[in-house]
Amino acid sequence: DVKVTQSSRYLVKRTGEKVFLECVQDMDHENMFWYRQDPGLGLRLIYFSYDVKMKEKGDIPEGYSVSREKKERFSLILESASTNQTSMYLCASSFVHRNYGYTFGSGTRLTVV
Amino acid sequence: AQSVTQLDSQVPVFEEAPVELRCNYSSSVSVYLFWYVQYPNQGLQLLLKYLSGSTLVKGINGFEAEFNKSQTSFHLRKPSVHISDTAEYFCAVTKTGTASKLTFGTGTRLQVTL
Repeated sequence: DVKVTQSSRYLVKRTGEKVFLECVQDMDHENMFWYRQDPGLGLRLIYFSYDVKMKEKGDIPEGYSVSREKKERFSLILESASTNQTSMYLCASSFVHRNYGYTFGSGTRLTVV
Repeated sequence: AQSVTQLDSQVPVFEEAPVELRCNYSSSVSVYLFWYVQYPNQGLQLLLKYLSGSTLVKGINGFEAEFNKSQTSFHLRKPSVHISDTAEYFCAVTKTGTASKLTFGTGTRLQVTL
């Protein structure tokens, strides 16, 4: 069964901490994405990557960075966590040349205290 | 750029009743359209997609949607809902061609009761 795996379902971090959210896919997808989901706001794109070591800013990149050293892994980094980054974070992946839609991970619910 | 509007944030419905979840999009170029479902504490799962061809698209779990280019709509329907359909539903759009980033609506919470 193909899948996108996010390393943690729930995380609690302190304000100011550096936080790493990891995502791994086993489908040989070129594209990978990080979204955050908040009630009433839907899904908002933070960053995406269309190839190893390539990245592009999404709609709300402030306070975040990403890393893609290998095709299957896409990491989201919160440089200095703040309470307004408390959210559900969703990773997704897709092919570049076949529009089958995204495959999503189960999400990481991050609470910053 | 593309945008999606889901006018209904919540839709309550009784079991076995029909339901329609509305989605309207805006785009200056041709688009692909998607519906995703999110069950509690889970990620999003693809329900159906419109890429080309027939404007009536059938998906999983008995759902279907109709692409209407003149009204820029892609409404989701099911003739008879079940308790297990209770979930959040997201409409999404992307421009045609090489797969690129999806733009999502704000979601519609479908609440099915007995």
